[in-house]
Amino acid sequence: GAGVSQSPSNKVTEKGKDVELRCDPISGHTALYWYRQSLGQGLEFLIYFQGNSAPDKSGLPSDRFSAERTGGSVSTLTIQRTQQEDSAVYLCASSHQTGERYEQYFGPGTRLTVT
Amino acid sequence: KQEVTQIPAALSVPEGENLVLNCSFTDSAIYNLQWFRQDPGKGLTSLLLIQSSQREQTSGRLNASLDKSSGRSTLYIAASQPGDSATYLCALTGGGNKLTFGTGTQLKVEL
Repeated sequence: GAGVSQSPSNKVTEKGKDVELRCDPISGHTALYWYRQSLGQGLEFLIYFQGNSAPDKSGLPSDRFSAERTGGSVSTLTIQRTQQEDSAVYLCASSHQTGERYEQYFGPGTRLTVT
Repeated sequence: KQEVTQIPAALSVPEGENLVLNCSFTDSAIYNLQWFRQDPGKGLTSLLLIQSSQREQTSGRLNASLDKSSGRSTLYIAASQPGDSATYLCALTGGGNKLTFGTGTQLKVEL
């Protein structure tokens, strides 16, 4: 596709359930990023992939959060045993690194609501 | 730790006015700075990217400047239109490629 796509666009889940969020980056982009946007916290970095490896996982808030990327393309963010504080919009971005030009292109996000 | 602040937090202007949004940061060791807009319920749209070696970038009615030594960037919007109403975010890339976002400015352009 022409841009970054994410699915689902909205997800409502009960506290304690596991959820999987999917990101499909722009074709050819080697870097992929996950961010979270929540009320009161703004936009926060979660994890970054270069190819299939994750050099920087420093933003994952707890061990309930994990992410993987396969084939250098699609990525899945998994949240286990969801809590109400996990409610947020989860944004994915991708970039094609050429020198200093690390421009990131964002998807529309997945709005997660934990009830 | 990099801290990014945007002033004002909210701004309301009449259509046609020129305006400036401000972004300040505490650590000048950055690779680049991006300005985004976010419409309600939507993702982020990249507006301009300024590399650390550049001073400014222009796209249409938008002009962004970067002064690393003073830790400041500005986004200038000329001849504002109601369609410019959105939240504007600046974000910096330092080591590690991750973006550190500012607090955002919510802009409303009124008819």
